[in-house]
Amino acid sequence: GENVEQHPSTLSVQEGDSAVIKCTYSDSASNYFPWYKQELGKRPQLIIDIRSNVGEKKDQRIAVTLNKTAKHFSLHITETQPEDSAVYFCAAPDSSYKLIFGSGTRLLVRP
Amino acid sequence: GAVVSQHPSRVICKSGTSVKIECRSLDFQATTMFWYRQFPKQSLMLMATSNEGSKATYEQGVEKDKFLINHASLTLSTLTVTSAHPEDSSFYICSASPSGGGEQYFGPGTRLTVT
Repeated sequence: GENVEQHPSTLSVQEGDSAVIKCTYSDSASNYFPWYKQELGKRPQLIIDIRSNVGEKKDQRIAVTLNKTAKHFSLHITETQPEDSAVYFCAAPDSSYKLIFGSGTRLLVRP
Repeated sequence: GAVVSQHPSRVICKSGTSVKIECRSLDFQATTMFWYRQFPKQSLMLMATSNEGSKATYEQGVEKDKFLINHASLTLSTLTVTSAHPEDSSFYICSASPSGGGEQYFGPGTRLTVT
């Protein structure tokens, strides 16, 4: 089955700096890779996703890159703001479309 | 679009009672819905996959007789925690997939406290 590992577990950056979170997956058949942002006590929100037919996708300050050969994908947040502080989860589907989540990264953006 | 609601948002019940949680997709039909459990500062743990018109598929270690799932329509799935105990206290979140292509949209979650 699919196994997803996420690093780092915590990340502290200065406002305005960039933040990068990395995930690896094990199932080479996986073809969809979402990233979720979860604020304390709230639902995970889909912030960006990428499918295996592209290597990079951007949406304003957020980008995701995918390396299928190495089986890893990364979330990049540029010009970080305090409101970016949250827990971020990556995920990858297993063969039955269930999403397997990474362990999460707690991002703190210092003003 | 892709809005999922969940009710109640918070519930406190006594040990031994049952609690029902509803999950609804408001602006799309969801053949498949998922139920997760999340402990503080931990990741989302999938409990079961709910398919409209058929029995739910439970993950290993999840008691199907304790966590009853019913997917009555393409927009509604319910999770009933039967004979709740304090160790069942947790944050329960549902999600729904509009296309079966992987993307899932989450409900706001239900915080269950069993006293």
